[in-house]
Amino acid sequence: QQKVQQSPESLSVPEGGMASLNCTSSDRNFQYFWWYRQHSGEGPKALMSIFSDGDKKEGRFTAHLNKASLHVSLHIRDSQPSDSALYFCAASGMATGGNNKLTFGQGTVLSVIP
Amino acid sequence: AQTIHQWPVAEIKAVGSPLSLGCTIKGKSSPNLYWYWQATGGTLQQLFYSITVGQVESVVQLNLSASRPKDDQFILSTEKLLLSHSGFYLCAWSYVANTGQLYFGEGSKLTVL
Repeated sequence: QQKVQQSPESLSVPEGGMASLNCTSSDRNFQYFWWYRQHSGEGPKALMSIFSDGDKKEGRFTAHLNKASLHVSLHIRDSQPSDSALYFCAASGMATGGNNKLTFGQGTVLSVIP
Repeated sequence: AQTIHQWPVAEIKAVGSPLSLGCTIKGKSSPNLYWYWQATGGTLQQLFYSITVGQVESVVQLNLSASRPKDDQFILSTEKLLLSHSGFYLCAWSYVANTGQLYFGEGSKLTVL
C-alpha cells in the first residue's frame, strides 16, 4: 500500500479560485512533510514544508498539518494559470545512513482554467 | 548559487543497448546526491543515493547501477536496457543534514523501444 496517498487525482479550478489538495500518510515515523510542484517537462521544485501541527502560510499558499491523523493539505487561493502543474505531497522521517528518503505520493494534477 | 545540470535531455534507445545518464552539481561541496525515476505523470521513486565520493547505495533493484566518480558528479548506467526502463530520470541534491528538501535537475527523458 502506498505510504503517502493524495487526493484528488486531478482538479480543475477557475482562475482566481481556491484549489485544495489533500494527502494522508500511513507511516507514523514521518515527521517532515513537503509539497512539491512539477511543471510539464521539468524537475519538481519544493513549494513549501510543514513540520508542526496547524497552518503555515506562504503568500497564496497555505499548508495544514494534523499529525494525529497524519493528514496534510495544501490550499492555493487566487489560483493562476501558472499554478497548473503536478503537485506532490512528500514525507520523510529521520535520516538513516545519510539518506533522508522522501516518500512521494502519486500526485495531483491541477488545471487552472482562464 | 548552486546549479544542477543533467545530460542528455532526452534519449531514444533500443532494448538491450547500454545507457549512461549524468548529473553535475556546481556551487555546493559534498552534497548528498540522489537518482529518482518517474513514470510519465507518475510518482517519484528513489533509486540510489550517495553521501560521499565513491559510495553509492541502491534503494531498489531495477537492473541499473550508479557511481559517483567525483564530488560533483553522479552517473546512472546500465549495460542492457529493458522496456521498463522508459521514463523520466531525475538527479537531485540535498544538504547533508536536511529535513527532506531536495533540489532536482531538469531531468532526462528516456524512451526504450
